[in-house]
Amino acid sequence: SQTIHQWPATLVQPVGSPLSLECTVEGTSNPNLYWYRQAAGRGLQLLFYSVGIGQISSEVPQNLSASRPQDRQFILSSKKLLLSDSGFYLCAWGGTSYEQYFGPGTRLTVT
Amino acid sequence: AQTVTQSQPEMSVQEAETVTLSCTYDTSESDYYLFWYKQPPSRQMILVIRQEAYKQQNATENRFSVNFQKAAKSFSLKISDSQLGDAAMYFCAYRRLRGGSNYKLTFGKGTLLTVNP
Repeated sequence: SQTIHQWPATLVQPVGSPLSLECTVEGTSNPNLYWYRQAAGRGLQLLFYSVGIGQISSEVPQNLSASRPQDRQFILSSKKLLLSDSGFYLCAWGGTSYEQYFGPGTRLTVT
Repeated sequence: AQTVTQSQPEMSVQEAETVTLSCTYDTSESDYYLFWYKQPPSRQMILVIRQEAYKQQNATENRFSVNFQKAAKSFSLKISDSQLGDAAMYFCAYRRLRGGSNYKLTFGKGTLLTVNP
């Protein structure tokens, strides 16, 4: 069966510091991968998606970037965090019937 | 652009009773998928149910069923025999099938469901 992992689970970082969030998927090959952000009390906003290694599409221009160095690894990064980057970050992979399955998420607080 | 609207920010239901959560969407597409996701306090998003737009039959998964009205662009979720574990935020989501950016899910803002014992 497929599983999706995210780490860290919780992160507190000062403004201006770098960021690296990692997502890995097991039990499937060449999945579509997604990064979403959920601000407090709101729905999910798609940040990036990837259909293959090295292929990244950005939905919202911002302070963040994404990379896919391996088939089942998806990384979300920032060189300098802003206060507005605080939120809950979810990674997801795409199933065969167009559904998406989500990881446990990372709660990021920028102080 | 597609939009998804959940008009009920909060709902409550008594344990063992039935509750219906509303969702409407706006699209010019004829082929798409609709989903309901549940987000419990752990905050992991869990797929509850899926509906293909080309299917007239409403999807059902155990105690969860949908009322899909394509012409009205309405997609409500009915939870029967509500249980304490159903308490969560519920999100309605839309995914188009054709054209560019056809990979993303567009989410509503969610409905917080409380189940009272």
